[in-house]
Formats: sequence, C-alpha cells, structure tokens
Amino acid sequence: RKEVEQDPGPFNVPEGATVAFNCTYSNSASQSFFWYRQDCRKEPKLLMSVYSSGNEDGRFTAQLNRASQYISLLIRDSKLSDSATYLCVVNPNTDKLIFGTGTRLQVFP
Amino acid sequence: ETGVTQTPRHLVMGMTNKKSLKCEQHLGHNAMYWYKQSAKKPLELMFVYSLEERVENNSVPSRFSPECPNSSHLFLHLHTLQPEDSALYLCASSQEDVGVSGNTIYFGEGSWLTVV
Repeated sequence: RKEVEQDPGPFNVPEGATVAFNCTYSNSASQSFFWYRQDCRKEPKLLMSVYSSGNEDGRFTAQLNRASQYISLLIRDSKLSDSATYLCVVNPNTDKLIFGTGTRLQVFP
Repeated sequence: ETGVTQTPRHLVMGMTNKKSLKCEQHLGHNAMYWYKQSAKKPLELMFVYSLEERVENNSVPSRFSPECPNSSHLFLHLHTLQPEDSALYLCASSQEDVGVSGNTIYFGEGSWLTVV
C-alpha cells in the first residue's frame, strides 16, 4: 500500500459546483497533514493545514478522519481559477513529508 | 515575491556538461531540500540539509552533488546526466522540525531541466 494515495482524476466540474477529494494514508502514527495546490508547470504552494477538528478557509474545508486514515478537501462554489492539481501531504511522524501524486481538478464554464 | 528563489528557471544541458542549480531562501528557515518532480510521479525527496549538514540522501546517483554553504543557500551540481534526469527540480525550505506544530515546507518556483 502506498504511504499516501490519491485519486489522480481528473475531476471535471462546472463553475459553482461543490467538489471533494479524499486522500488516504497508511501510517496511523501520522501527525501532520496538509493540502498543497500546484498549477500547471508551477511549484506546489501550501493551500491549508489539516487539523484534527477540521478547518475552513473561505470556500475550502479540510477534514481529518483518523479512524479511517484519510483527509479530505471540499471546495464549494468552484471557480475557473481553482483548476489545478491538489496534493495531499502527510508527515508520518518523521522529519520528512510524504507527497501524494495529486488530484487534478478542471473547472469549466 | 517568493521566499525561495531558484536559478536558472530553465536549463538545457548535454550529457557531458557540468552545470549547477542555485537556491536561496529568505524565510529564516534552517532546513533546505531538493526534490525532483517527473511527469505523473509524486515528488521525490533527493537531499535534506538541516543546519547546513546533510541529513538525508535518498539513494540519489552521484551525478547529482548537493552543496549547502550556509543556511540560506543550496546548490545542486550536475554532471554527466542522463536524458531520464530531465524533470522539474524543486528547492524548498522549512524550520528544522518539519511536521512539528504543523511546520511545513515552502517551495521555490523550480528549475526545468532538459538533458539532451
């Protein structure tokens, strides 16, 4: 089993739609979780951290389910500018981060 | 303006060439990283420097040689590369204890390398 696993997509959604991505991780001792966004031919940029209690930043909501070992990212009211690849990142209680392969989102008019 | 800058942004080199990638971070971090990103693959961690000492070398071929002269600068020296080494090379920085208290890493814009 991969340490961090994501559905590669693409997820094709119309503007205004709500879309959700999940990411599963294998190490139950993992402590820190993040979502990064990567635009085409650009570097990954931190979108948000994922806290145990869940967190929200505008249209974006991140949640952690420790029992089932997954994190999720919900995007409401999708914009064309949300089109990107979303990377799930996990710290498996070590000094390095493990990146997923990313889920590609394409928002169309 | 990004806190991590990389040069050059694009590099084309022959298999017999020697070149270097440069990275500078302006975030006051004390750990720096080189990652490789190839098409349809997850980011691959190549090297980690913490407080200017190399703490990780993920079985990277010796044709890649890192150098960290101080906590703000990181180089990746390249020589006798192969076409399969063509990829996006990303530099990143963080506070030393990545993951602790939610510390995470910040990337530079990357250097697109093509080996011909």
